[in-house]
Amino acid sequence: QSALTQPASVSGSPGQSITISCTGTSSDVGSYNLVSWYQQHPGKAPKLMIYEGSKRPSGVSNRFSGSKSGNTASLTISGLQAEDEADYYCCSYAGSSTVRVFGGGTKLTVL
Amino acid sequence: EVQLVESGGGLVQPGRSLRLSCTASGFTFGDYAMSWVRQAPGKGLEWVGFIRSKAYGGTTEYAASVKGRFTISRDDSKSIAYLQMNSLKTEDTAVYYCTRETVGSSSWYSDYWGQGTLVTVSS
Repeated sequence: QSALTQPASVSGSPGQSITISCTGTSSDVGSYNLVSWYQQHPGKAPKLMIYEGSKRPSGVSNRFSGSKSGNTASLTISGLQAEDEADYYCCSYAGSSTVRVFGGGTKLTVL
Repeated sequence: EVQLVESGGGLVQPGRSLRLSCTASGFTFGDYAMSWVRQAPGKGLEWVGFIRSKAYGGTTEYAASVKGRFTISRDDSKSIAYLQMNSLKTEDTAVYYCTRETVGSSSWYSDYWGQGTLVTVSS
């Protein structure tokens, strides 16, 4: 069982928007502005898409956005494209003892 | 261009040891903390541990599932991070990724990942 809870799957049609939730606790997501999101295509290494909750690394499309409310973080992808179909993982800093925790991952299907 | 290349994976029997290497290039290796993240077949990502930069003591932290069995070290002169895995269990079977942290002091998030190396623990 993963420390952070994500839906197992979400789907959307091209051009639509989807949101993936990531629920943690007051010990991780709720305490730190250090949630990150990773995209992973089959057989490939994960790629950083969002860091510090809402910031995008250089080169990541502005169709990807992140937010947080209390113990829940969210990743929104607008204007869905076929290439967005992948697994998405959230991750949070969880303090000096546990350090980092991941969500179980969400499979995004573009219909 | 930042590159991380893992090596050393393979098939190993339960109870034995294996050492993974992560060779870095394209950045000043010694300035950054380095982490290891693993992914069991068909499963999600699991943070394994990290090592701080020498400026922050080069100390390490580990996930509870590997603490006492795995050791992370670094050789800044060669730009290599290591993951020494002892007393391996079948549940350690996974692709192991080397990742770069964005600071030298902690493991907040990984901005670069290697391609991964598969470790299979089986008799």
